[in-house]
Amino acid sequence: SQELEQSPQSLIVQEGKNLTINCTSSKTLYGLYWYKQKYGEGLIFLMMLQKGGEEKSHEKITAKLDEKKQQSSLHITASQPSHAGIYLCGADGTGTASKLTFGTGTRLQVTL
Amino acid sequence: DAGITQSPRHKVTETGTPVTLRCHQTENHRYMYWYRQDPGHGLRLIHYSYGVKDTDKGEVSDGYSVSRSKTEDFLLTLESATSSQTSVYFCATTTGGTLPNGYTFGSGTRLTVV
Repeated sequence: SQELEQSPQSLIVQEGKNLTINCTSSKTLYGLYWYKQKYGEGLIFLMMLQKGGEEKSHEKITAKLDEKKQQSSLHITASQPSHAGIYLCGADGTGTASKLTFGTGTRLQVTL
Repeated sequence: DAGITQSPRHKVTETGTPVTLRCHQTENHRYMYWYRQDPGHGLRLIHYSYGVKDTDKGEVSDGYSVSRSKTEDFLLTLESATSSQTSVYFCATTTGGTLPNGYTFGSGTRLTVV
């Protein structure tokens, strides 16, 4: 079965600092999804990567998928308190997106 | 997300009692999922459905059953609740295929088994 490892498990950064979260798969990915979760709420879709070497950005968040399609990184530039939450990566290992496997999540705190 | 409603949002139940959680969607999505979220484990798939009356097990299905009699409703039943089933349960839906937007998630049900 697909296994995803996220690192770090938790992160505390000062407002304005940059940070990176990593997601590593044990198998080649057909698709990699990034989600954000605020405490007590559901998951909000951030972006999806499919092609090796692909990079997508939304506001101050950039996600990349490596050429081998086994590792993805999520980079936040100039962090803000609104970025705080839990970030999860989800992997499509079948090519149909019919059953996503999720990583354990990275808890991000942004201090003033 | 307004398209997916989970009920109840919170529930406390006693060990040994049956519990049913409901997921209702207005998205007309074919696929529906039940996940549980626990510290250190992330999201783990319990059961999923790929159409009315078509369901399959996920990685942590023991002690759970599901039913889908209509496209819009997916029920998760804990046949005899145990303390290990204390968790936050999330429902998700998708139309299937490699979508640019992935899954849509409900707001979750926090279940405590005492």
